[in-house]
Amino acid sequence: DVVMTQSPLSLPVTLGQPASISCRSSQSLVHSDGNTYLTWFQQRPGQSPRRLIYKVSNRDSGVPDRFTGSGSGTDFTLKITRVEAEDVGVYYCMQSTHWPHYTFGQGTKLEIK
Amino acid sequence: QVQLHQSGPRLVKPSQSLSLTCAISGDSVSSNSAAWNWIRQSPSRGLEWLGRTYYRSKWYNDYAISVKGRITVNPDTSRNEFSLQLNSVTPEDTAVYYCARDSGHTADYWGQGTLVTVSS
Repeated sequence: DVVMTQSPLSLPVTLGQPASISCRSSQSLVHSDGNTYLTWFQQRPGQSPRRLIYKVSNRDSGVPDRFTGSGSGTDFTLKITRVEAEDVGVYYCMQSTHWPHYTFGQGTKLEIK
Repeated sequence: QVQLHQSGPRLVKPSQSLSLTCAISGDSVSSNSAAWNWIRQSPSRGLEWLGRTYYRSKWYNDYAISVKGRITVNPDTSRNEFSLQLNSVTPEDTAVYYCARDSGHTADYWGQGTLVTVSS
């Protein structure tokens, strides 16, 4: 099974400052079709996960442009340019290249300092 | 706009079966381009994919190794929904269970989640 490792697991950030979350996979996430199926989710307290970014860097409709995904192969990053109060929650990366199994990272808890 | 609405018992006794249903609006369980998943979340196991059903000229199922032999995911085309049945549950199966759509090889829409507690 593919293992997804996120860091840090806890991320205290001052409002208005940037934040960065790393996600590493134990195997390449490049699919035979040429796509890389790496997704980022945000889970606010008491809510279901919400998809932010798919295929590494494609932002979902309605997601603020302060969220950016990047990376390739086995190394991926989610960046928030200026953290706002509504960004508090847990962020997960997920691979779906190696179907049928989804594999999730452990989650990174973002909080305001 | 796709919406997924979950229903089912929130308390199950050990050794019995857990059953949940996910009602779909805005898409079809028989879609040739979607897959319908069950995922659970617990403090000890994090987010864990359990299984899915999908239609590509015929019905297919895939299940996680961790629950294979205990799990069934079934479509109900007449109600446009799909279900999860997990047999022989133990307290370790206590979790928030989510249904989710896969479209374009990634989960996009999720249900509201159901906390299922396994306890006598």
